[in-house]
Amino acid sequence: AQKITQTQPGMFVQEKEAVTLDCTYDTSDPSYGLFWYKQPSSGEMIFLIYQGSYDQQNATEGRYSLNFQKARKSANLVISASQLGDSAMYFCAMRVMDSNYQLIWGAGTKLIIKP
Amino acid sequence: NAGVTQTPKFRILKIGQSMTLQCTQDMNHNYMYWYRQDPGMGLKLIYYSVGAGITDKGEVPNGYNVSRSTTEDFPLRLELAAPSQTSVYFCASSYYQKKTQYFGPGTRLLVL
Repeated sequence: AQKITQTQPGMFVQEKEAVTLDCTYDTSDPSYGLFWYKQPSSGEMIFLIYQGSYDQQNATEGRYSLNFQKARKSANLVISASQLGDSAMYFCAMRVMDSNYQLIWGAGTKLIIKP
Repeated sequence: NAGVTQTPKFRILKIGQSMTLQCTQDMNHNYMYWYRQDPGMGLKLIYYSVGAGITDKGEVPNGYNVSRSTTEDFPLRLELAAPSQTSVYFCASSYYQKKTQYFGPGTRLLVL
């Protein structure tokens, strides 16, 4: 069965520190994609970063990077030099062919950045 | 630079009433999706469409209907609203199924 697990319901991090948000996935499909979305208190869903299962290098987008460990089936989001505006819910999602390429979502992690 | 737009932003319905949530995208995306997000949860797919005239059920389609007469619009119809349909509804679109989905701002629905 396809599944995304985010084990951290909430996290507090000091401003300017780096933060790692955990995501593990389960699929038997060799071809899949992993996404991270940010949902601030205003409610919209903002795409952050994508990693394909065949990508050789870890994805990076500005302060966001994805620590992709295929053997461990983990796709952790790393935010460097955290800012107050990073306070939000963060969702990990997976897309696999077996699910007709629909996104399977984790329950999310609430990140709060402390000044 | 509109992207995906949704109306209304917020609505209160009485049990048994019906309503249509509107979704429009201006990115010429083929794929469109409707999700619901219950408090403290991730998103669940209600319906999706791969192009005008083609729709299919997602994980939680009961109590909803959709249509896709144009590439741009993908309305979601709630018939006989129930308290269990209290949720935030997101519309999303992507160029095709392997591409990133972009989301609208959401519609908060309260059924009393």
